[in-house]
Amino acid sequence: QKEVEQDPGPLSVPEGAIVSLNCTYSNSAFQYFMWYRQYSRKGPELLMYTYSSGNKEDGRFTAQVDKSSKYISLFIRDSQPSDSATYLCAFTGGYQKVTFGIGTKLQVIP
Amino acid sequence: DSGVTQTPKHLITATGQRVTLRCSPRSGDLSVYWYQQSLDQGLQFLIQYYNGEERAKGNILERFSAQQFPDLHSELNLSSLELGDSALYFCASSAIGGIGNTIYFGEGSWLTVV
Repeated sequence: QKEVEQDPGPLSVPEGAIVSLNCTYSNSAFQYFMWYRQYSRKGPELLMYTYSSGNKEDGRFTAQVDKSSKYISLFIRDSQPSDSATYLCAFTGGYQKVTFGIGTKLQVIP
Repeated sequence: DSGVTQTPKHLITATGQRVTLRCSPRSGDLSVYWYQQSLDQGLQFLIQYYNGEERAKGNILERFSAQQFPDLHSELNLSSLELGDSALYFCASSAIGGIGNTIYFGEGSWLTVV
């Protein structure tokens, strides 16, 4: 079983739609949960960072963590064409290496 | 701009050759990470250094090596290059005591082996 599972997509949505991106993980040592956004051939940039189960909101973005189910989500409200990118979930236990999902490619169509 | 600087941005070399990729971490960050990203593999962790010492090792080939220098910059050396080594190589850094280890990436070095 892979440590992290993420659907690579691609996912195409119309502008203004709510986007839901998800990852599952198997490593119980993971305590910190992150979402990165990567534009084509650019370095990934940190979007959201959470620690506990529950929701964390930042503008149009909401990160959700369910530790009991080992499931995390990223919701994007009122999606924009500029949101078109690859979204990677990432996990770490603290001082250990960060483990990434393969990334979901999102396209928001005007 | 993440503050992590990588050079060169693009590199084309022949099979069997050796290249060195360079990374300067964000000011104050003691940890440096190297990742490889190819089209079908996603981001693969190679190696982590913390204040000059190797901290963690991932899927790094024996032909690859890295080090972190006293000024905290890091180099990734790739030798006996093969076509399959063509990829984007990212360096990332994080702060000391960074709970959660949120890491910040450079723009990457695009290596093409021909």
